[in-house]
Amino acid sequence: RKEVEQDPGPFNVPEGATVAFNCTYSNSASQSFFWYRQDCRKEPKLLMSVYSSGNEDGRFTAQLNRASQYISLLIRDSKLSDSATYLCVVNQAGTALIFGKGTTLSVSS
Amino acid sequence: DAGVTQSPTHLIKTRGQQVTLRCSPKSGHDTVSWYQQALGQGPQFIFQYYEEEERQRGNFPDRFSGHQFPNYSSELNVNALLLGDSALYLCASSFGTGGLNTGELFFGEGSRLTVL
Repeated sequence: RKEVEQDPGPFNVPEGATVAFNCTYSNSASQSFFWYRQDCRKEPKLLMSVYSSGNEDGRFTAQLNRASQYISLLIRDSKLSDSATYLCVVNQAGTALIFGKGTTLSVSS
Repeated sequence: DAGVTQSPTHLIKTRGQQVTLRCSPKSGHDTVSWYQQALGQGPQFIFQYYEEEERQRGNFPDRFSGHQFPNYSSELNVNALLLGDSALYLCASSFGTGGLNTGELFFGEGSRLTVL
């Protein structure tokens, strides 16, 4: 079983749609959780951290369910510029970041 | 403020050859991590360097080795190249090993290696 699993998609949505990505992780000792964004043929960049209480950054909402070992990212009012691959990332204290395969989002007009 | 820079950006090698990839971390960062990203996959951790020593290593064979210099720049070496080594090699920098815990790794644009 992979450490971090994501639905690869692609998710094809129209502008203005709400879309949700899910991620599960296998190591219950994981302590930190993140979403990274990677544009086509570019490097990954940190989108947001994920906190136990859930957190929001503008149109983006991240949630964590430690009991189910599940992380989600919700994007509201999708923009064309949101088209990218979204990488779910976990790590234990002091260890390397473990990336999922990523979920591809394509927003169309 | 220069970000993470990597060289070369693209290179083509044949099986059995050796390759060296280079990385300069973001200004103020002292920790360098290397990742391999195959097509359609997420980045996979190779190893991390801090204070010129390999601090952590992922599940990669000994053909993959590295080095960190006193100015914090780093090299990734791959010997006896295989077709399966074709990938985007990403360098990421952070400040101190604690940088891993914040989740904010700053990545370079990568070196795209093709092995024929």
